[in-house]
Amino acid sequence: DGGITQSPKYLFRKEGQNVTLSCEQNLNHDAMYWYRQDPGQGLRLIYYSQIVNDFQKGDIAEGYSVSREKKESFPLTVTSAQKNPTAFYLCASSGGTRSNEQFFGPGTRLTVL
Amino acid sequence: AQRVTQPEKLLSVFKGAPVELKCNYSYSGSPELFWYVQYSRQRLQLLLRHISRESIKGFTADLNKGETSFHLKKPFAQEEDSAMYYCAPYPLEGSQGNLIFGKGTKLSVKP
Repeated sequence: DGGITQSPKYLFRKEGQNVTLSCEQNLNHDAMYWYRQDPGQGLRLIYYSQIVNDFQKGDIAEGYSVSREKKESFPLTVTSAQKNPTAFYLCASSGGTRSNEQFFGPGTRLTVL
Repeated sequence: AQRVTQPEKLLSVFKGAPVELKCNYSYSGSPELFWYVQYSRQRLQLLLRHISRESIKGFTADLNKGETSFHLKKPFAQEEDSAMYYCAPYPLEGSQGNLIFGKGTKLSVKP
């Protein structure tokens, strides 16, 4: 383990509040990703970033926002516009000699009360 | 449209039995293919990739371009193989280069 970390492990939010999930990596990877994992749905891509100061929407970007000001960090904000935010969120990164392989963080479980 | 299908949500076998987790993909080009595994209370991790042609933890996966399949196989399942398995093609042509994950198969190996 190590290399890519996510915090917090568990997060509770009241409806109507924005919340930011942290993702940090020290693997010197250029690319970073955010996925949402729901039972029976697999992993769905929210946002990704191939390089600092640039990011693109994935398949389910509505209600989420990201920033990529530093290579090591790719925070995800779940906004009040996200209709069903309770889920398990996974961050990943890729790069280096095995550039197509993604390395995953331990995840953050968000629960909206 | 690029798509990956894992037809079984749940696969239950007894210890020592062979196991095959199915994965079919539909792509216009030739993707690179991965299998990821998520054990209970652990992070998602790479199990194997087709270009390396390795056997990891007794698992193998053969790319069948004719059938567009990348099934994961193990001749004798062990209890510690119980986990969630995801097939993930990586489109190499004409894409933004993102893994596309199947919905996953939960493997349960009974004693």
